[in-house]
Amino acid sequence: GNSVTQMEGPVTLSEEAFLTINCTYTATGYPSPFWYVQYPGEGLQLLLKATKADDKGSNKGFEATYRKETTSFHLEKGSVQVSDSAVYFCALDNYGQNFVFGPGTRLSVLP
Amino acid sequence: GAVVSQHPSWVICKSGTSVKIECRSLDFQATTMFWYRQFPKKSLMLMATSNEGSKATYEQGVEKDKFLINHASLTLSTLTVTSAHPEDSSFYICSARDVTGNYEAFFGQGTRLTVV
Repeated sequence: GNSVTQMEGPVTLSEEAFLTINCTYTATGYPSPFWYVQYPGEGLQLLLKATKADDKGSNKGFEATYRKETTSFHLEKGSVQVSDSAVYFCALDNYGQNFVFGPGTRLSVLP
Repeated sequence: GAVVSQHPSWVICKSGTSVKIECRSLDFQATTMFWYRQFPKKSLMLMATSNEGSKATYEQGVEKDKFLINHASLTLSTLTVTSAHPEDSSFYICSARDVTGNYEAFFGQGTRLTVV
């Protein structure tokens, strides 16, 4: 079945640092990749997504480009804030059904 | 926008008792809902797919008699953890798709179950 690999962290950065969280996957076909964020004590929120090759999803300063040739969807942000501290999950949309999630990356941003 | 509401957000129960978790789609109909389990500091694992009006489909290794799923209406799915034990303590999250919209998925806020 489909699977997602991402750096597990934890990742600790200072405020205004650059963030990259790598995500690669193996899949049958070309399912759409997503990034979800989970703030402490809360459920999942959609951060961004892509639907076709070379699409760049962006939201709240975060960006990720869907690279079909490398089956990757790395998450980046140029300047992180303390409020970005959360767990980030890379996920594949299993053809409109469930999602397959990566292990999650815990990010802590220090003031 | 579309919302999925999950209740309760947290529950503490004694070993041997049963706990019911509700998942509601508030402004759209969901013929299919998904139940995930998240172990501490781990990812979300799909437990089962809940189908309105029919039996749920369970993932390999998930005990269907332990985790009873009922999807009696187009807006409500319930997960009942029967005869709960401490190892059932976890964070449970439901999800539903707005199939009449753009198929976007919405997640409930999750339920933290602690069995003592």
